[in-house]
Amino acid sequence: EVQLLESGGGLVQPGGSLRLACAASGFTFSNHPMSWVRQAPGKGLEWVSAINNSGGRGGRTYYSNSVKGRFTISRDDSKNTLFLQMDSLRVEDTAVYYCAKDPGIHLWSNYFDSWGQGTLVTVSS
Amino acid sequence: EIVMSQSPVTLSVSPGERATLSCRASQSVSDHLAWYQQKPGQAPRLLTYGASTRATGIPARFSGSGSGTEFTLTISSLQSEDFAVYYCQQYNNWPYTFGQGTKLEIK
Repeated sequence: EVQLLESGGGLVQPGGSLRLACAASGFTFSNHPMSWVRQAPGKGLEWVSAINNSGGRGGRTYYSNSVKGRFTISRDDSKNTLFLQMDSLRVEDTAVYYCAKDPGIHLWSNYFDSWGQGTLVTVSS
Repeated sequence: EIVMSQSPVTLSVSPGERATLSCRASQSVSDHLAWYQQKPGQAPRLLTYGASTRATGIPARFSGSGSGTEFTLTISSLQSEDFAVYYCQQYNNWPYTFGQGTKLEIK
């Protein structure tokens, strides 16, 4: 059974940093692209960032315009873990952050067949 | 960036009836369209991808259709567990974008 468990959320002041992690199990993590998707309180879904499977050459990364230059996605395939380093946080970054699995194996399918339960990030002074 | 628009925002339907949800893209996304269901306090669940292919374990009462810019999710004979928020997502172009959601509520 696929399991994705996010951690690292919490309360942070504007301008601060947080690092989210997503521990994966139940599938061959290194084979799949992964994404982060967020949901502000009472709002819809917003894709944040994606990384392809490393293939020994380092993952290719993509970002939404709203986080480009502030967030960094990475992965450690030896630990089956996805990360999101969030710097220069803003009030509008407040949301539940989900990690999501792309079903493609060594290629992009670009949709998400499994999701974690999310971790809440609150940016407030 | 491709803008996805869903209608209606809220849909009230009685159990056992059919629900039709719409999703429109600001430019063609071919058939690169997925639908998700989200219940309160839960993560989204993939329903369909490729505009019309049901995901593993999704009941046959869920069906997706459309291509280009106009898409539909139809739920025939609504069950109590189907009342939730539904999102469409295009994945034809970066960045991936979602619609704002349709809330399906009990009439």
